Amino acid sequence: QVQLVQSGPEVKKPGASVKVSCKTSGYIFTTYGFTWVRQAPGQGLEWMGWISSYNGDTNSAQTFQGRVTLTTDTSTRTGYMELRNLKSDDTATYYCRVGAAAGEFDYWGHGTLVTVSS
Amino acid sequence: QSALTQPASVSGSHGQSITISCTGTSSDVGKYNLVSWYQQHPGKVPKLILYEVTKRPSGVSNRFSGSKSGNTASLTISGLQSEDEADYYCCSFVGRFSSLFGGGTKVTVL
Repeated sequence: QVQLVQSGPEVKKPGASVKVSCKTSGYIFTTYGFTWVRQAPGQGLEWMGWISSYNGDTNSAQTFQGRVTLTTDTSTRTGYMELRNLKSDDTATYYCRVGAAAGEFDYWGHGTLVTVSS
Repeated sequence: QSALTQPASVSGSHGQSITISCTGTSSDVGKYNLVSWYQQHPGKVPKLILYEVTKRPSGVSNRFSGSKSGNTASLTISGLQSEDEADYYCCSFVGRFSSLFGGGTKVTVL
């Protein structure tokens, strides 16, 4: 079965960077890209970006451009999201998702809580 | 790009039907039949309940249905049940490998 296992919770200071990983299993890795979504406490879902696991094509929401880097490692079937220059309002649960832009194949990681606090 | 517009909350009695709207623009919801809906219970991971506007993943109740007219997509929940109490989010493809979520709608079952 398809599984997405994310890295553990992180506590960072303002200005620092965080890199969240999402290790996958149970499907052909290069078939589906990774979408990264975040959810601040008590708030809604926010689409952050997408990266192809096939050729590395990527795009990110304008809000994060210049601060976020999405990568994949085919050898370990893992996706990564790095967010730099963290601010307190980056405190959120960060989810990885695999699937097409819209389609029945839709699997999410359990989420990684990133807390930004001085 | 601003989030798609959803009502903050919708409520209904057991057994009733409710509809949640998701309004975008001619560049997103109106342009692509690639609208998905997610259900999220507190503390849980979002669950896909509709994709490509009207399609239900296997295992999702047929009480959930979707439609689209112009720049507005809609999710209808019929025969409202206690377990339907959750947050619901629409999500539309907007081109160039990008998608956009709605602000979310809290559904309360009275």
